[in-house]
Amino acid sequence: EIVLTQSPATLSLSPGERATLSCRASQSISTFLAWYQQKPGQAPRLLIYDASNRATGVPARFSGSGSGTDFTLTISSLEPEDFAVYFCQQRSFWPPITFGGGTKVEI
Amino acid sequence: EVQLVESGGGLVQPGRSLRLSCVASGFNFEDYAMHWVRQSPGKGLEWVSGISWNSRSIGYADSVKGRFTISRDNAKNSLYLQMNSLRGEDTALYYCAKDRNNGHGYFGSWGQGTLVTVSS
Repeated sequence: EIVLTQSPATLSLSPGERATLSCRASQSISTFLAWYQQKPGQAPRLLIYDASNRATGVPARFSGSGSGTDFTLTISSLEPEDFAVYFCQQRSFWPPITFGGGTKVEI
Repeated sequence: EVQLVESGGGLVQPGRSLRLSCVASGFNFEDYAMHWVRQSPGKGLEWVSGISWNSRSIGYADSVKGRFTISRDNAKNSLYLQMNSLRGEDTALYYCAKDRNNGHGYFGSWGQGTLVTVSS
């Protein structure tokens, strides 16, 4: 099973700042990685798939990069609605599909 | 607009069974793989099971293999999860999720979830 490790666990930033979230895979997963955003009381929302492709309707301030074992989600300038928990997820060699433990972006 | 509506959750004793359902609308259900993903209270996400559009390809997490069974009825636009031999660690909010593409393995749309509580 591929283990995804996200860091940091919590990121404390202010609106307008740049956020950089990391996800590391226990073995190479090529670019088979997605990022999701989850707000309290809501289901997760797909932001990025295949490491760098924005899902429909996702603002351009969200970008993804990486391949192999190291991946990054960048939010170029935080908006108030971006404060949430972010999860990475891999689909290489599934089943199983696995998620990272999450990074909370807080004010 | 894609809509996924889960039902069937509730309080159940350890060792008992429960069947979850998910009714889909707003897209051609028979064209997409579907999944169940769960989230324990205050915790992260765990993929539970996935099924291809024609039910020929099915996968399970090791934690539920042999106890849970996923199925679908394309004529009814419905996805199911039969959960047997339930344990305390199965307590979670269970989401129905639509694959972004057929067998893509990413979750493009999610329901609001149905809560399963396993406790005596």
